[in-house]
Formats: sequence, structure tokens, C-alpha cells
Amino acid sequence: AQSVTQPDIHITVSEGASLELRCNYSYGATPYLFWYVQSPGQGLQLLLKYFSGDTLVQGIKGFEAEFKRSQSSFNLRKPSVHWSDAAEYFCALGFQKLVFGTGTRLLVSP
Amino acid sequence: SAVISQKPSRDICQRGTSLTIQCQVDSQVTMMFWYRQQPGQSLTLIATANQGSEATYESGFVIDKFPISRPNLTFSTLTVSNMSPEDSSIYLCSVGSSELNEQFFGPGTRLTVL
Repeated sequence: AQSVTQPDIHITVSEGASLELRCNYSYGATPYLFWYVQSPGQGLQLLLKYFSGDTLVQGIKGFEAEFKRSQSSFNLRKPSVHWSDAAEYFCALGFQKLVFGTGTRLLVSP
Repeated sequence: SAVISQKPSRDICQRGTSLTIQCQVDSQVTMMFWYRQQPGQSLTLIATANQGSEATYESGFVIDKFPISRPNLTFSTLTVSNMSPEDSSIYLCSVGSSELNEQFFGPGTRLTVL
């Protein structure tokens, strides 16, 4: 069965500091992986996606993620966090029908 | 990318009533989906809305509780029937793009059941 685990319920990062949000997945084949962001009162916005090829994927808003098959992980990173990055981040797995992780709430401190 | 609108954006309903949520897309799409996001929770797929046939429901969701219509390739409705406070959630529709290999989500409908 497919599943996605985001072990951190919430993370607090100082503005300007680097960020890494963890995502682990369970899937028998090469996964389709996504990171979405949900700001308060907003819908979901796709940050980036991975299907195949280069394991380091660049996304919007300065985010990147690295696919590591050996660790079944797809962690999201950003070198310098801005206050506007405070939001809920969801990792998802699948094609068309998505399985979502439980989300990580990012808080940005001044 | 697809532009998706949902109506209503939010509603407060009484127990035992039903609410129909509309999802409109600005282009024809094959795949449309309905998700539920309970308070403080992640998103769970309710069903795939199929044009011209019955929706395909995920485990734990049934047609009597969440009837879905898909009259054409740009529109779908989800009805939440005989509501209880446990149905208080955000309901989101999404569309899949096989060309882009990604899904686009609507802004969601925030439902509160009293």
C-alpha cells in the first residue's frame, strides 16, 4: 500500500535560516512525488514534483527537493526562509489519485 | 495550468441538512477528484468524478453520503448529505493534467456543521 509520512508536525525556523522538511514514502515502484504548500485560507499550490531523472528537483519560490530511493525520502529544502513561507506543507505520492502526508506546519520567527 | 473555482467558498449548515458544492474548471479535463480535509488533518481522497458514469469512491466513502455529479468535462458537484458535525471540513476539488503530470486544486469549500 502507498503511504506518506511527514514526521514533523510543526517546525519553527528563524527568518533567513535554512529549512528542511522531511518526507518518507512507501511504494513498490518508482514513485511520483509532490510537495504542496497551503497558506492560511488558501488552496494548495504545487511547489515541485518528481517523476524520474535528476534526483534534485527545483521548484518555485526557491524550494528544492531531493529524491533518495535508498532512504525512501523526498525532503524539501530552502536555503533561506522568508516570513511569507509560513504555511502548511504537504508531501504527496501518486499519479492522478494522490496520497498525502499529514503535513508539516512551518512557523517563521523574526 | 487549470483555473478552478468552487462555490460556495464557505457555509455554516444545520445538522441533518445537505449541501451541494460546485466545482468549475476553465478548460475541459478528463480527471476530476474530490478531497476532504478535516480540521488539522491532511487531505483524503473521497472519489473520482467520472464524466458520463458513476463516480468511483474510495474506501470509507459511499455514494449515499457523498453523491457526485459530472455532467460535462468542466463541471462537477459534490453533495454532503444528512450532515453531522463530523462532516465539518474543507472540501477541495482537483483536476489532473496527464500532460503536465500534476494536479491542480480549487480554493476549497469550508463547511461547518452545527
